[in-house]
Amino acid sequence: NAGVTQTPKFQVLKTGQSMTLQCAQDMNHEYMSWYRQDPGMGLRLIHYSVGAGITDQGEVPNGYNVSRSTTEDFPLRLLSAAPSQTSVYFCASSYSRPGSGTKNIQYFGAGTRLSVL
Amino acid sequence: SQQGEEDPQALSIQEGENATMNCSYKTSINNLQWYRQNSGRGLVHLILIRSNEREKHSGRLRVTLDTSKKSSSLLITASRAADTASYFCATDEMGANSKLTFGKGITLSVRP
Repeated sequence: NAGVTQTPKFQVLKTGQSMTLQCAQDMNHEYMSWYRQDPGMGLRLIHYSVGAGITDQGEVPNGYNVSRSTTEDFPLRLLSAAPSQTSVYFCASSYSRPGSGTKNIQYFGAGTRLSVL
Repeated sequence: SQQGEEDPQALSIQEGENATMNCSYKTSINNLQWYRQNSGRGLVHLILIRSNEREKHSGRLRVTLDTSKKSSSLLITASRAADTASYFCATDEMGANSKLTFGKGITLSVRP
């Protein structure tokens, strides 16, 4: 049981390049989310999905796109990388969504460390 | 906007001592969770406490919740060097539209 798998682990981009951060989970979780973690800022929600075909914006969505064509995969796309997007990105999944009144323990991937030059 | 705010920001203790970390939040919640993050790793869930619970235990962890004061505390008893990590509280807000909100974290250092 792999849990939440993120690839790549490290990435360096030049300003203006695009790329996709991959996230896959094998726990059949409905809810998936992307966070970025910056020093002194904690975790900030970028986008989330409550099921296949359903996505919504979080706190800091600008410059990022997501899609959820399957339950397992939730890729995050950087359209035109900027130095402000240098960060550590975490994908997480849970059996149920926050606000549902049920236990919604988040399972996190190991993260992708992205530098934009 | 930050819902959970942890206190202190950093804590350094000797192995064997107890570590107490606090979290305050602003709105009504369904539950509050604590996570741990070792350096260079993802977050790992530690414990969840529902809004109608006041205290929960899990091994050396004890969590309390005071909904009237909108605060929670995480106590790690008999700390070990391996407890060195960052600790985050996360709140599941009522009517929050599917968002779990994390605080900025507390850095705990346990000296051998």
